[in-house]
Amino acid sequence: DAGVIQSPRHEVTEMGQEVTLRCKPISGHNSLFWYRQTMMRGLELLIYFNNNVPIDDSGMPEDRFSAKMPNASFSTLKIQPSEPRDSAVYFCASSLRTGMETQYFGPGTRLLVL
Amino acid sequence: GEDVEQSLFLSVREGDSSVINCTYTDSSSTYLYWYKQEPGAGLQLLTYIFSNMDMKQDQRLTVLLNKKDKHLSLRIADTQTGDSAIYFCAEMNYGQNFVFGPGTRLSVLP
Repeated sequence: DAGVIQSPRHEVTEMGQEVTLRCKPISGHNSLFWYRQTMMRGLELLIYFNNNVPIDDSGMPEDRFSAKMPNASFSTLKIQPSEPRDSAVYFCASSLRTGMETQYFGPGTRLLVL
Repeated sequence: GEDVEQSLFLSVREGDSSVINCTYTDSSSTYLYWYKQEPGAGLQLLTYIFSNMDMKQDQRLTVLLNKKDKHLSLRIADTQTGDSAIYFCAEMNYGQNFVFGPGTRLSVLP
């Protein structure tokens, strides 16, 4: 299995631009998580999906952030418009909800907003 | 609410044992996890322990759980330079909420 796939691995953009981050979970997993990691705030859960349905988006910082999961094998996290304080590493993780919910992480997307 | 705490930094000499500690507040925790994050990479599951266990050993790793004190530790025997990384403690509770600690940055000195 290829594991969780994220793209792009690095993104540099200018303030005000739209940014779209992509994630392909492990095949057969039915839960997907988006995290943001910064030095100041550590690892923060932004949103998670179960069977493609958003369950908890209370971690999404503001309306500029949106996430979708149109099918079991693809999810996007969009920031529009982006701001310099959005600069962080964004991780996607997936899991199979069997009660022992080990999350498997992707390599992350390193975002820099100038 | 749920909270997971860890010390932020630990330095050890190569060959010594490392002990990384974690405390949590949620008494309904079912599973507790240790993840490792190497520079520039995602989090990798190292090991986990079910809440009705008090110890789990896997090669150089030993996990100890004191459920009464809500204290979890990870011991790495014969620490190597390749063990330098950030180690995250995480817990899952009956509500199936997954909570990570802030991570402990382990530095292994030659």
